[in-house]
Amino acid sequence: QKEVEQNSGPLSVPEGAIASLNCTYSDRGSQSFFWYRQYSGKSPELIMFIYSNGDKEDGRFTAQLNKASQYVSLLIRDSQPSDSATYLCAVMGSQGNLIFGKGTKLSVKP
Amino acid sequence: DADVTQTPRNRITKTGKRIMLECSQTKGHDRMYWYRQDPGLGLRLIYYSFDVKDINKGEISDGYSVSRQAQAKFSLSLESAIPNQTALYFCATEGGAYSTDTQYFGPGTRLTVL
Repeated sequence: QKEVEQNSGPLSVPEGAIASLNCTYSDRGSQSFFWYRQYSGKSPELIMFIYSNGDKEDGRFTAQLNKASQYVSLLIRDSQPSDSATYLCAVMGSQGNLIFGKGTKLSVKP
Repeated sequence: DADVTQTPRNRITKTGKRIMLECSQTKGHDRMYWYRQDPGLGLRLIYYSFDVKDINKGEISDGYSVSRQAQAKFSLSLESAIPNQTALYFCATEGGAYSTDTQYFGPGTRLTVL
């Protein structure tokens, strides 16, 4: 069973700080990695995807991928209360379907 | 208009009833998915379809069936609902000429089985 592991949290950071969300995966052959944000009772929405080792930046968000360590992370700079949500890490499995972690709940305190 | 729609949005039913959840998309995607989400268990894949003639079981297909009526429509059925099928159900789509493997989710259906 391919797995994607995330710390369930909650992760609490003050407004303006950097939030760091981490994810590990078991399938060394995985090639595509995704971060979704989900507000309570709502559907997941894509924040970023990353395919290559290294960093990928989009506004306040930076995804980091290290395939050798089977590790992907999401950094949120200048965190805002509106960033409070559950963040889901997802990895493309060998059969072409996404495998989701259970999510990390982030709370940004004003 | 939303690209991925789900009906109904909320449903309360009784044990043993047959229930169908419907998903439609206007994104032109070939691939469609059904997930359920339970507190503490994350998103779990029920069934997925890569085109109209292709249906695949996911992680938790027991007690569910699906029908891909057209490229744009993918329905999930519970033949005889039971209380532990109470959950939030999401449909998702993916594909297209410039696919990045990104899945786009519908708004969800909250199902309660009494």
